[in-house]
Amino acid sequence: AQTVTQSQPEMSVQEAETVTLSCTYDTSESDYYLFWYKQPPSRQMILVIRQEAYKQQNATENRFSVNFQKAAKSFSLKISDSQLGDAAMYFCAYRSQETSGSRLTFGEGTQLTVNP
Amino acid sequence: ETGVTQTPRHLVMGMTNKKSLKCEQHLGHNAMYWYKQSAKKPLELMFVYNFKEQTENNSVPSRFSPECPNSSHLFLHLHTLQPEDSALYLCASKGGVTEAFFGQGTRLTVV
Repeated sequence: AQTVTQSQPEMSVQEAETVTLSCTYDTSESDYYLFWYKQPPSRQMILVIRQEAYKQQNATENRFSVNFQKAAKSFSLKISDSQLGDAAMYFCAYRSQETSGSRLTFGEGTQLTVNP
Repeated sequence: ETGVTQTPRHLVMGMTNKKSLKCEQHLGHNAMYWYKQSAKKPLELMFVYNFKEQTENNSVPSRFSPECPNSSHLFLHLHTLQPEDSALYLCASKGGVTEAFFGQGTRLTVV
């Protein structure tokens, strides 16, 4: 079974600074997807970024980028130029490459605080 | 808005009550999920439905009863719950190889 671990229960960053959230996972599969979801106080889980394991290039979405290290099974999220609206709980998630029906396995989450 | 709508947003129920949670999506997705989110714990997958058929039950107690009448609607029927069942219940849907889209959740309190 796959597991996802986020070792940082809480992180804080100054507005406009950069912060990196850590995630490691364990799997025996070679093809899979990794995701970072954001859950603000509104509780809506919002996809931040996704990475296909077969792609060597790290995914980037505006101020959000990942450092995907497949051999090390590491998938960290970097938030540049942090904004107050980035404050939320961030979850790392894993999914097999199966099509419809495959489960998402989540980490425990990292609560990010952005200080003005 | 993600296209996945959950009702009600908040629910308080007694341990002898029967209530239902509803999830609706019109994204054309074929898979729908129920997750439980408790404080300080990872999201726990409860049920998976694929093309209206239940494909996964993650050892969920029978006091939780899912129903998927069609690919757009998913229900979670609740009866004789316990206080430890109080949590945020999240519904999600997914189509093909896309990411899962989540609803805003139902905050359930069992008293």
